[in-house]
Amino acid sequence: QKEVEQDPGPLSVPEGAIVSLNCTYSNSAFQYFMWYRQYSRKGPELLMYTYSSGNKEDGRFTAQVDKSSKYISLFIRDSQPSDSATYLCAMSESGGGADGLTFGKGTHLIIQP
Amino acid sequence: GAVVSQHPSRVICKSGTSVKIECRSLDFQATTMFWYRQFPKQSLMLMATSNEGSKATYEQGVEKDKFLINHASLTLSTLTVTSAHPEDSSFYICSASREVRDTNFGPGTRLTVL
Repeated sequence: QKEVEQDPGPLSVPEGAIVSLNCTYSNSAFQYFMWYRQYSRKGPELLMYTYSSGNKEDGRFTAQVDKSSKYISLFIRDSQPSDSATYLCAMSESGGGADGLTFGKGTHLIIQP
Repeated sequence: GAVVSQHPSRVICKSGTSVKIECRSLDFQATTMFWYRQFPKQSLMLMATSNEGSKATYEQGVEKDKFLINHASLTLSTLTVTSAHPEDSSFYICSASREVRDTNFGPGTRLTVL
């Protein structure tokens, strides 16, 4: 079993829909959870950061972490065609930046106009 | 968050040659930088941790003699792919951060080995 599981998609939804993206993980030592957006042939761009369990909201984006279930989610409200990209979840045991990140495979999201 | 640049953005080389990729931290001094590799439709896989002033730490399965990492200054890490082969063709991305919450990535380097 891989450390981080993420459905690669593609996930196709109409413009304006609420999008739900998810990852599960097996390493209970992960405490720091990130979501990145990656456009084709570009480096990942940090969207959301969450420490431990809980919710975090930033504009149209909401990140949720449930450590008891080892499950994290990213919700996108009022989705736009410009949201079409690959979304990667990433995790780390430490917060000091001294460890690399463990990534999910990424979910390819398509927002249909 | 950290601002990271990479050069070149794209490189095509012949099999057997060596290719150097630079990663720069533009707005802070990074004692630690990271190198990832991403194959098409795959996730980013951590290759190695680049430590300023000391040897890099490689992940299991990554050949240290093939992927040479030099972190000569607090703002520059280089990855050299030695004797490149077609199977080394991939997207190489570096990252730097003061702390995990502001980990930012470079724009990536697409390597194609003919």
